[in-house]
Amino acid sequence: EDKVVQSPLSLVVHEGDTVTLNCSYEVTNFRSLLWYKQEKKAPTFLFMLTSSGIEKKSGRLSSILDKKELFSILNITATQTGDSAVYLCAAGYDNNAGNMLTFGGGTRLMVKP
Amino acid sequence: GAGVSQSPSNKVTEKGKDVELRCDPISGHTALYWYRQSLGQGLEFLIYFQGNSAPDKSGLPSDRFSAERTGGSVSTLTIQRTQQEDSAVYLCASSLEGRGALYNEQFFGPGTRLTVL
Repeated sequence: EDKVVQSPLSLVVHEGDTVTLNCSYEVTNFRSLLWYKQEKKAPTFLFMLTSSGIEKKSGRLSSILDKKELFSILNITATQTGDSAVYLCAAGYDNNAGNMLTFGGGTRLMVKP
Repeated sequence: GAGVSQSPSNKVTEKGKDVELRCDPISGHTALYWYRQSLGQGLEFLIYFQGNSAPDKSGLPSDRFSAERTGGSVSTLTIQRTQQEDSAVYLCASSLEGRGALYNEQFFGPGTRLTVL
């Protein structure tokens, strides 16, 4: 059964701290690993990773994929209160219907002033 | 509009009533997905439409749930005889390409918060 597992479930840090969020996956016909940030209702796209070992960066956020060990990490440096959100990881794969995503349960990050 | 839109944004209904949720995908996006997110939970896949192909209904939790996509654009998710456990945020997403596409980036709508009393 396809599954995506995220850890930790929740995290409380103070502004300026660095955090690492983890995502492990087991899917058939894996295509890509996606990270989303969800503050209210709609998740917003952060990164898509398709190749191992190539770090993607956007400001204070970065992410990397290990296709051999089947995991990805999302790093946030110098955290700010605006980083407080649920971070969702999703594994993209192909099935008979087409392109699909299986989501993890998310990591709830709270950044305190 | 530039993004995925959904309506209504909030829906409160009584147990046993039917509800319809609407999704307008990004223009030109051939793939459309419905997800459900219960309080504090991750996204649960419900149904997937790709072009004129038969939809993937494998995620629908019961036969009370159905969805249509008319003209390859707007989609309606219908829940019949709603139950309290149907209370959740229902999210719609669309993507530019489906089968055979290299990437899977999906763009999400704001969701509909359904509360069944």
